[in-house]
Amino acid sequence: SQTIHQWPATLVQPVGSPLSLECTVEGTSNPNLYWYRQAAGRGLQLLFYSVGIGQISSEVPQNLSASRPQDRQFILSSKKLLLSDSGFYLCSGGRRDTQYFGPGTRLTVL
Amino acid sequence: SQQGEEDPQALSIQEGENATMNCSYKTSINNLQWYRQNSGRGLVHLILIRSNEREKHSGRLRVTLDTSKKSSSLLITASRAADTASYFCATDARGSNYKLTFGKGTLLTVNP
Repeated sequence: SQTIHQWPATLVQPVGSPLSLECTVEGTSNPNLYWYRQAAGRGLQLLFYSVGIGQISSEVPQNLSASRPQDRQFILSSKKLLLSDSGFYLCSGGRRDTQYFGPGTRLTVL
Repeated sequence: SQQGEEDPQALSIQEGENATMNCSYKTSINNLQWYRQNSGRGLVHLILIRSNEREKHSGRLRVTLDTSKKSSSLLITASRAADTASYFCATDARGSNYKLTFGKGTLLTVNP
């Protein structure tokens, strides 16, 4: 079975600082990879997805970007964080239909 | 935009009772999945039902899908305090690269 790793678990950053969240996948190759954000008490909103190395699709315009430098590595970045970037960020991955989720990163921008 | 809508938004029951949560969606789907999320944690995959299936079971879980009504239900039988969590349905559409669209979830509280 596959495992999704995410770090850090929590992060507190000042407004205007850069961001880098990392997600790695274990137990499968060539997965589809996804970044979601969850606001407090809400469902998940898809931010980016990737079907292969170097391929990124953005779902919503925002202050964030994503990259996939290796088959099983997915990175979420920002050059300058905004207050509105606070939230719970979840990475998921899978081959075909079933997606497995990582433990998430709680980001607080102050 | 959110495709799935779960109801109720919150459900409180006693241990041993059954819990039923519903999910409605707007457009045609390929698959529908249910996930559980404990407070502040990641999502745990519970069950996937395909658009050509009507019912699936997994342990104490039973999921039904009615594509004519664009709705699904999740039944947890003989609930336990450890079932306390938020439950989300998620759908993907054909040709969407399995991108999931989530509802806002049902918060289930099982009282011991």
